[in-house]
Amino acid sequence: ELKVEQNPLFLSMQEGKNYTIYCNYSTTSDRLYWYRQDPGKSLESLFVLLSNGAVKQEGRLMASLDTKARLSTLHITAAVHDLSATYFCAVDIRTYKYIFGTGTRLKVLA
Amino acid sequence: EPEVTQTPSHQVTQMGQEVILRCVPISNHLYFYWYRQILGQKVEFLVSFYNNEISEKSEIFDDQFSVERPDGSNFTLKIRSTKLEDSAMYFCASSAGTGYYGYTFGSGTRLTVV
Repeated sequence: ELKVEQNPLFLSMQEGKNYTIYCNYSTTSDRLYWYRQDPGKSLESLFVLLSNGAVKQEGRLMASLDTKARLSTLHITAAVHDLSATYFCAVDIRTYKYIFGTGTRLKVLA
Repeated sequence: EPEVTQTPSHQVTQMGQEVILRCVPISNHLYFYWYRQILGQKVEFLVSFYNNEISEKSEIFDDQFSVERPDGSNFTLKIRSTKLEDSAMYFCASSAGTGYYGYTFGSGTRLTVV
């Protein structure tokens, strides 16, 4: 059974700082997705990573995928309060489903 | 931007009652999914649906659950006899294909079983 783990589970950081969220998964896959969820809200797609070495950037967020290490990272640059949310990675092993990670709750302090 | 629409946004039901959660996927999407999220926990796969049949289902999706696409636009999840532990946020999602497209999630239905 595919396991997807994120760390840290909780992250409190100051505005302006940089940090990285890690997503490790246990089975070979070259498809990984990042989602953002605000409290009580739905899942918003952030990034689609479909090959080894894929890197995508949007604003202060950058995601990458290393399929050999079974690792994806979500890097936050110069955090701002609006980035406070829960971030999930999700892995697709070419079945009709994604397996979501445990989630990382990010709080950016002013 | 096209959306996945879910109704109702919140449903409260008595234990043992049947509930139907409704979803209208994006019109040209072919793959449909239900996920659930117990408060504060991770998002769990329930079932996927393609070409009018279930493609895959999880251990959670037992005989109490069923899905249907009754009229070519709606996609429903039925829970026949609700239990307290069914209380969760239920998300519908759809996608145009696999891989590149990713999923678009609906806004969710919060189910509370009392």
